[in-house]
Amino acid sequence: EAQVTQNPRYLITVTGKKLTVTCSQNMNHEYMSWYRQDPGLGLRQIYYSMNVEVTDKGDVPEGYKVSRKEKRNFPLILESPSPNQTSLYFCASSLRRDIRGSYEQYFGPGTRLTVT
Amino acid sequence: DQQVKQNSPSLSVQEGRISILNCDYTNSMFDYFLWYKKYPAEGPTFLISISSIKDKNEDGRFTVFLNKSAKHLSLHIVPSQPGDSAVYFCAARDYGQNFVFGPGTRLSVLP
Repeated sequence: EAQVTQNPRYLITVTGKKLTVTCSQNMNHEYMSWYRQDPGLGLRQIYYSMNVEVTDKGDVPEGYKVSRKEKRNFPLILESPSPNQTSLYFCASSLRRDIRGSYEQYFGPGTRLTVT
Repeated sequence: DQQVKQNSPSLSVQEGRISILNCDYTNSMFDYFLWYKKYPAEGPTFLISISSIKDKNEDGRFTVFLNKSAKHLSLHIVPSQPGDSAVYFCAARDYGQNFVFGPGTRLSVLP
């Protein structure tokens, strides 16, 4: 089954304790992305990756890191989480885009993170 | 300031009638627009999209209209069904491969 998986689905942690949220897709997609969803703000893009070893900042990258060492995986790293990073996080993937084309993204089920 | 706006946080429609969800944007560099549907405890799922060079795209019960001069797009669902009850997000892509989402509209289709 084609899917995007995220782990963990729920996480409660304390300020400053490093954490990683994993994301994996089995569709051989080149493009992967991380979003956070907050009430009244919709989904905001954190980072995206066009392919292996290629990453770029989205709208809200501060406090986050990503890596793309393999095509299927795109982990999100919070080196020193703070309470304002409490949110619902989604990973997404799609086929690679060209200048005029665009493809719909497939989203994972979400990770609810609480930082106290 | 939000570049993609969905000014109606919620909408209720009777089953069988038309649902119209609206979206406004401010960035004229957006070249592709998408609608996603989201059920509770699930990730968003793609519904329909439209390129900026078109003004209409239709897929079954779903039609998206784009008015570039007004920087406005709308999603029409005809006929509406109870299973359409969800949060709908409008999204836009800028030239730099960045995606901007609106805050969402919660649609309730009443039996």
